[in-house]
Amino acid sequence: QSALTQPASVSGSPGQSITISCTGTSSDVGSYNLVSWYQQHPGKAPKLMIYEVSKRPSGVSNRFSGSKSGNTASLTISGLQAEDEADYYCCSYAGSSPWVFGGGTKLTVL
Amino acid sequence: QVQLQESGPGLVKPSGTLSLTCAVSGGSISSSNWWSWVRQPPGKGLEWIGEIYHSGSTNYNPSLKSRVTISVDKSKNQFSLKLSSVTAADTAVYYCARVRHWFDPWGQGTLVTVSS
Repeated sequence: QSALTQPASVSGSPGQSITISCTGTSSDVGSYNLVSWYQQHPGKAPKLMIYEVSKRPSGVSNRFSGSKSGNTASLTISGLQAEDEADYYCCSYAGSSPWVFGGGTKLTVL
Repeated sequence: QVQLQESGPGLVKPSGTLSLTCAVSGGSISSSNWWSWVRQPPGKGLEWIGEIYHSGSTNYNPSLKSRVTISVDKSKNQFSLKLSSVTAADTAVYYCARVRHWFDPWGQGTLVTVSS
């Protein structure tokens, strides 16, 4: 069970859009529409931002969106705001060993 | 609104056993959900440890399976984690979370340090 691959860091200016990729395999991301994304601010617990690839929980801004193509899932944040600066993690169902997380991406708002 | 709260010793000696409990409030642990443990070493990413259903069925991360036991106590509405033969590499913030096809909500996390 290997961690999903995310870029270590991404950055953008306020108002811009950024996309974070999450690459897995045909055994996890590619086989199931069960990718979720989490936002984590320093010293805080992760917060669910996207589930089942593209669904947003109640209370999460519609500036956050998710998608998937093949073995790669993506999180897009539009209209970047200072409060979006955080670490972001993807997670996928992986069958017999059910869950695998990505290594995390640090988002910097310039 | 379901809430989760981790508790347990913050310091464990090397080769000892780490024991944590996650208390579930605002809902029943016997509902149709799995309950999971996730950890995060300082400055590093999230690692899934394992999960349990109220029936007692479990799934574990293969890399930790030989050392992990997750159990449930329905009478106390809580579930627990035991990790044996710990080393400094097991120093981390340990989170509990409810699992559907996603992890939500999460507990606030508890830091466990492995040191003599």
